[in-house]
Amino acid sequence: EDQVTQSPEALRLQEGESSSLNCSYTVSGLRGLFWYRQDPGKGPEFLFTLYSAGEEKEKERLKATLTKKESFLHITAPKPEDSATYLCAVRISSGGSNYKLTFGKGTLLTVNP
Amino acid sequence: EPEVTQTPSHQVTQMGQEVILRCVPISNHLYFYWYRQILGQKVEFLVSFYNNEISEKSEIFDDQFSVERPDGSNFTLKIRSTKLEDSAMYFCASGTGPTYEQYFGPGTRLTVT
Repeated sequence: EDQVTQSPEALRLQEGESSSLNCSYTVSGLRGLFWYRQDPGKGPEFLFTLYSAGEEKEKERLKATLTKKESFLHITAPKPEDSATYLCAVRISSGGSNYKLTFGKGTLLTVNP
Repeated sequence: EPEVTQTPSHQVTQMGQEVILRCVPISNHLYFYWYRQILGQKVEFLVSFYNNEISEKSEIFDDQFSVERPDGSNFTLKIRSTKLEDSAMYFCASGTGPTYEQYFGPGTRLTVT
């Protein structure tokens, strides 16, 4: 049973066309939700950490928000260089698990010029 | 900006051989992790390491796997007898604390033939 579900699996945007990516989670004992960017053949690059519902973080064209059941990554006026796979991960504190990140499958974002 | 480094970038080995994947975490980090990503699949947690011992491991991390911090800078993952299904991208990560973000290296692509 997936604990972290990301949607859509793939998203194609025109440059300047704003949109949102979704990450829903079905865990209890959330101890952080993390957004990463992954380029092909590379390691995940850290973007944001969110710890509690209502929290928001921003960086350039990206804004991450968190509710009790999901997180959104809003992309405002994207550029072609924003094309990548965006990964969501959660850390929970439950049954001896305190350290690992559990990842979703990711959303492949393509921004066309 | 400090970053996690990994060597080699690509390792090809025959089934049954031992491999050692090497990582240099960010210098002031105390928590170290290994993850893997089979082509087209999610990033999966393998093991976390703190204070010179394993703090958490997944079901994937069986007796064929071991980790070591042989000195003050390196962190290694050893696979004793590789199987075809060990072919994947292996990522090392490090962090300052158990609840904070993890910073990933560029990965080692392991191909088992």
